[in-house]
Amino acid sequence: DVKVTQSSRYLVKRTGEKVFLECVQDMDHENMFWYRQDPGLGLRLIYFSYDVKMKEKGDIPEGYSVSREKKERFSLILESASTNQTSMYLCASSSTGAPSSYEQYFGPGTRLTVT
Amino acid sequence: AQRVTQPEKLLSVFKGAPVELKCNYSYSGSPELFWYVQYSRQRLQLLLRHISRESIKGFTADLNKGETSFHLKKPFAQEEDSAMYYCALSGGNFNKFYFGSGTKLNVKP
Repeated sequence: DVKVTQSSRYLVKRTGEKVFLECVQDMDHENMFWYRQDPGLGLRLIYFSYDVKMKEKGDIPEGYSVSREKKERFSLILESASTNQTSMYLCASSSTGAPSSYEQYFGPGTRLTVT
Repeated sequence: AQRVTQPEKLLSVFKGAPVELKCNYSYSGSPELFWYVQYSRQRLQLLLRHISRESIKGFTADLNKGETSFHLKKPFAQEEDSAMYYCALSGGNFNKFYFGSGTKLNVKP
């Protein structure tokens, strides 16, 4: 059973703080993703990684960076948090290969509030 | 450009009524289409994928390439179907997904 865990369920930070969101998966998946989920906007891809130390920008990378030093761990970094980054952040992972493995497995989410 | 459109933000039906959640997409290649569901206080999870041609919890979805649609249907809605539903498209490299904006289904008793 695939498990994707995120370091915090709820997080409150102040404007200007540096914020780290951690995600860990235990299925040896090559691909990992960070999304933000906002009402009426659905899920928007921030960054993804297809291998250790590799990263690609998604649709809304501005204000974010990522780090993938180990295969199982993918970190999202807000260099200087702003109020418009208040959102639910979802991490996901998937395997590379046959179509049947295209499913993305999601973590429980981190609700970040920036005040 | 890749795009997934879910025109309804909220869909309310009575228990036992048929339900159809609409999804239209645009993609230049041959996409894989999915429906994901998020029940209250639970994580987002896969409901079904078009390549499997399966029925999950009574839901089915048919890929119509001519109309570029992948509508989700269930003949008799149940209260436990109340949730947020996202249509998603996968294509290209690295299993990148494109999600719609979601439809909240509310099944009333």
